[in-house]
Amino acid sequence: EPEVTQTPSHQVTQMGQEVILRCVPISNHLYFYWYRQILGQKVEFLVSFYNNEISEKSEIFDDQFSVERPDGSNFTLKIRSTKLEDSAMYFCASSVEYYGYTFGSGTRLTVV
Amino acid sequence: AQKVTQAQTEISVVEKEDVTLDCVYETRDTTYYLFWYKQPPSGELVFLIRRNSFDEQNEISGRYSWNFQKSTSSFNFTITASQVVDSAVYFCALRDSNYQLIWGAGTKLIIKP
Repeated sequence: EPEVTQTPSHQVTQMGQEVILRCVPISNHLYFYWYRQILGQKVEFLVSFYNNEISEKSEIFDDQFSVERPDGSNFTLKIRSTKLEDSAMYFCASSVEYYGYTFGSGTRLTVV
Repeated sequence: AQKVTQAQTEISVVEKEDVTLDCVYETRDTTYYLFWYKQPPSGELVFLIRRNSFDEQNEISGRYSWNFQKSTSSFNFTITASQVVDSAVYFCALRDSNYQLIWGAGTKLIIKP
């Protein structure tokens, strides 16, 4: 069964550093998403991406965050200057239709 | 505003017992989708079911069943004859006219041998 692949599975970074989380969505999917889950809390929406542009973003997704689909297969989330509170599990998801989702296995980001 | 409430923070049962996880949602839209996901200790999100607002038929998949009641805005999930491997956090989520999934806080299910 097709999968959404996320790398790395775990990343440790120093506060203030830039970090890029990578995702390879399923090849025929058209909609792409990033969600995050702070440890022990609910999953929160960050951003959705369709037709090479952001279609929706949450209040969490401020100027420190950006997304890109650089080469037609990868979908990246960049955090420019990480803060301690950015420590979380970040999930990428993709869908071929409006209402379906396939989630990747997540990247655990630890900011120290 | 959209909202998903999972009032049960944690449930603990003994193996082979039946257990129901509650989910209540709020939305102004007439077209929406409801989901259940399982998050085992390893952390990934495992899709269990998607239901659209026009399909109120209950669904059964093996030991899992779902009861969708539009009249009470609920989408409850029952595990019959629970097993230790069912231990996980279970999330209910809603998608309406927006792109994003709105998530409940999750219910931690502990199945004791």
